[in-house]
Amino acid sequence: AQSVAQPEDQVNVAEGNPLTVKCTYSVSGNPYLFWYVQYPNRGLQFLLKYITGDNLVKGSYGFEAEFNKSQTSFHLKKPSALVSDSALYFCAVRGAGNTPLVFGKGTRLSVIA
Amino acid sequence: DADVTQTPRNRITKTGKRIMLECSQTKGHDRMYWYRQDPGLGLRLIYYSFDVKDINKGEISDGYSVSRQAQAKFSLSLESAIPNQTALYFCATSDKQTARYEQYFGPGTRLTVT
Repeated sequence: AQSVAQPEDQVNVAEGNPLTVKCTYSVSGNPYLFWYVQYPNRGLQFLLKYITGDNLVKGSYGFEAEFNKSQTSFHLKKPSALVSDSALYFCAVRGAGNTPLVFGKGTRLSVIA
Repeated sequence: DADVTQTPRNRITKTGKRIMLECSQTKGHDRMYWYRQDPGLGLRLIYYSFDVKDINKGEISDGYSVSRQAQAKFSLSLESAIPNQTALYFCATSDKQTARYEQYFGPGTRLTVT
C-alpha cells in the first residue's frame, strides 16, 4: 500500500528566508508525486508534480521540489518565502495502477513578516 | 477550480438526518472522487468512480454511499448523519488519458452534524 508522511505539522519561517516542507513516501514501483496548497476557506490547488525525468521540478508561485529516490523524499522548497505563502500544504503520491492519490496529513506553513 | 462545483457549500444538519452532497464537473473527466478532510488527519478517500458503472470504496466508506448519475455528476450521501461525520468534504476529478497525473478539486462542502 502507498503512504505519505509529512513529519512537521507546522513550519515557521521569516519572510525572505528559504523554506522547506518535508515529505517522504512509500509506494510499490515508480512513484508519481504531487504537492497541493490549501488557502483558508478554499479547495486544494495543484502546485507541482514529479512523474519522471529531472529530479528537480518547478511549479507555481516560485515553488520547486526535489525528488530523491534513495531517500524516498519529495521536499517542497522556495528560495525566498512570502507572507502570502502561508497556507496548508499537502504532499500526495500515486503508485502503479489505477489508484487514487494518497495524501499526507498536511503541514501548515506560517511566514512571518 | 470553477470547473468542479460542489453544492451545498455549507450545511448544518441534525443527527439521524439523511443528507446528499453533490458534485458536478465540466472538465470532461471520467474519474471522480470524494474525500473528507479533518484537522490533523489530512484528506482521506471515501469513494471513487472510474466511470458511470465503476464505483469503488475508499479508505473510510462506512456510513456513506455514492451515486454516479452521469459522467459529470457524482453524489455523496450520508444515510443517517452522525456528529463524527462533521468535516470538510471535497470532490475531485481526473482524466483517464492522463491517469498518472493530478486530480482537480472542487471548493469543498463544510458539513456540521449536531
